[in-house]
Amino acid sequence: DAKTTQPPSMDCAEGRAANLPCNHSTISGNEYVYWYRQIHSQGPQYIIHGLKNNETNEMASLIITEDRKSSTLILPHATLRDTAVYYCIVRVASGNQGGKLIFGQGTELSVKP
Amino acid sequence: DAGVTQSPTHLIKTRGQQVTLRCSPKSGHDTVSWYQQALGQGPQFIFQYYEEEERQRGNFPDRFSGHQFPNYSSELNVNALLLGDSALYLCASSFGQHNQPQHFGDGTRLSIL
Repeated sequence: DAKTTQPPSMDCAEGRAANLPCNHSTISGNEYVYWYRQIHSQGPQYIIHGLKNNETNEMASLIITEDRKSSTLILPHATLRDTAVYYCIVRVASGNQGGKLIFGQGTELSVKP
Repeated sequence: DAGVTQSPTHLIKTRGQQVTLRCSPKSGHDTVSWYQQALGQGPQFIFQYYEEEERQRGNFPDRFSGHQFPNYSSELNVNALLLGDSALYLCASSFGQHNQPQHFGDGTRLSIL
């Protein structure tokens, strides 16, 4: 079972920041937070991941709370091409259960003109 | 630099038949994972191959089997196809098993009649 909770859908105006929340209250110390998105008819696309520090790359920023029980993915200037389903995933970093991604239902983000 | 490639892109089979799907990982990647995505659902982990061995397996029956070749490419085989096997089958590759991002192909759409 997925260990994350996300709102099923969100809207965002084009050009504005999109802030996608994720709750992972049962996260363990050796688990990373990963974000992927899936545009219709394509495979999931890796966006960003982090352990406990905030992370930023060319696509997005990831803000993880100090207690690590929740996080927010920020798309700073959303465009119509960012319309997709966004998945927040908690991933074990090592051991027998390490590696696999357990997807939930995700958040369907609609960016509107 | 080619990403993850999967073949074929679409396939139609009938109940009881067998199917083989193929995946070439991204250059430099040595680990391949397979996922099944039913319509309207998030991807579900099937299994992961590393060093030509199945390292982890999700909750899928033995009808689902796989193989990894010395060049790191992989096959997914499904025997005795059922109507419920209709789905998008996704391959993801990574460097190492655990804490490197998995990169997905665009999948094979399998339809069972």
